[in-house]
Amino acid sequence: NAGVTQTPKFRILKIGQSMTLQCAQDMNHNYMYWYRQDPGMGLKLIYYSVGAGITDKGEVPNGYNVSRSTTEDFPLRLELAAPSQTSVYFCASSNREGKNIQYFGAGTRLSVL
Amino acid sequence: AQRVTQPEKLLSVFKGAPVELKCNYSYSGSPELFWYVQYSRQRLQLLLRHISRESIKGFTADLNKGETSFHLKKPFAQEEDSAMYYCALLTGGGNKLTFGTGTQLKVEL
Repeated sequence: NAGVTQTPKFRILKIGQSMTLQCAQDMNHNYMYWYRQDPGMGLKLIYYSVGAGITDKGEVPNGYNVSRSTTEDFPLRLELAAPSQTSVYFCASSNREGKNIQYFGAGTRLSVL
Repeated sequence: AQRVTQPEKLLSVFKGAPVELKCNYSYSGSPELFWYVQYSRQRLQLLLRHISRESIKGFTADLNKGETSFHLKKPFAQEEDSAMYYCALLTGGGNKLTFGTGTQLKVEL
């Protein structure tokens, strides 16, 4: 039972490079989320999705894009990486039938140099 | 706007001592609150939610709407309780969570 799977675990990018953080869940959850966590800060919501084909901005969406073509996958795209995007990224999923509990991936640690 | 405040970044207690991790919230709607925990080298996971009114691993949390608080308590701390604890508030459509900045609990022998 994999739950929420994130890849890669670690990545170093140069300024201006692009990359996609992958997130997949096997719990048939409707809702999926991307958070970033900076040192000493709480998790801040970047984007979320309430179902396939539907996405919306969270608190800190600038510099990121998402898509949700399937229920299982919710990739996060960084188009022009900047040092301010150095952070730990967490993907999560939930379902109202699951009592609004969010299940988290193990995280991706990204450094932009 | 919604806000979750955890005033302590670090809380250090001795084994067997009582623990109280503070959480205050600001929200105009009807709050639904959670405590999430992250043990060393593990992913963030739910500890408890106020609607359940249950005790998990000896922890309890009571929602106090008058004081807008949801403090996490345990009468006797154990070494395995050492972890990062986050208070979170469910807000808006899409089941969004607003997190506090977290409190690192360290239980010393």
